[in-house]
Amino acid sequence: AQSVTQLDSQVPVFEEAPVELRCNYSSSVSVYLFWYVQYPNQGLQLLLKYLSGSTLVKGINGFEAEFNKSQTSFHLRKPSVHISDTAEYFCAVQDNPGNQFYFGTGTSLTVIP
Amino acid sequence: DAGITQSPRHKVTETGTPVTLRCHQTENHRYMYWYRQDPGHGLRLIHYSYGVKDTDKGEVSDGYSVSRSKTEDFLLTLESATSSQTSVYFCATTGALNYGYTFGSGTRLTVV
Repeated sequence: AQSVTQLDSQVPVFEEAPVELRCNYSSSVSVYLFWYVQYPNQGLQLLLKYLSGSTLVKGINGFEAEFNKSQTSFHLRKPSVHISDTAEYFCAVQDNPGNQFYFGTGTSLTVIP
Repeated sequence: DAGITQSPRHKVTETGTPVTLRCHQTENHRYMYWYRQDPGHGLRLIHYSYGVKDTDKGEVSDGYSVSRSKTEDFLLTLESATSSQTSVYFCATTGALNYGYTFGSGTRLTVV
């Protein structure tokens, strides 16, 4: 089974500041990597995904993530956050299409005005 | 997501009673999953299905059962609800060649 570690459970950041949410996974074999966002009282929405190719992946709402195979990491970044980015962010790993996901425990991002 | 609906959205039930949660999809996806979400644990897989009448256990399956008699419906049953099953339950689906899940909006279950 895969293991996904999100190193920060809570990240407060001031509006318009940059942010990085960290994610590490356990497996060295080929995996597919995802970031999901969950706004209060809602389901999870896909932010971005890495399947293959360029290691820098761009997603919705100005977020991007970089796949680093040697460090088994997939950190999420945004150069300038907005109040509306306040949400819970989940990193997830899938080893084959159709297979189950393994989720990290989540990072709560709070953007401070 | 409009293609997946969960019902009910909220439920309060008493300890010891059976409870059934429903997930309905219009995506014609083969794979369906039930997760529970708890603070500090992220999402944990309860049960999943690879097709009609084809189900298997996830990491936290004790006290839960599932059924899938039609492609579009995946039912989660708590045989005898306990307070430890108070949680938010999410259904997810994916196709055989799809990467990534589509999630339902969740069911908030409180067992008192």
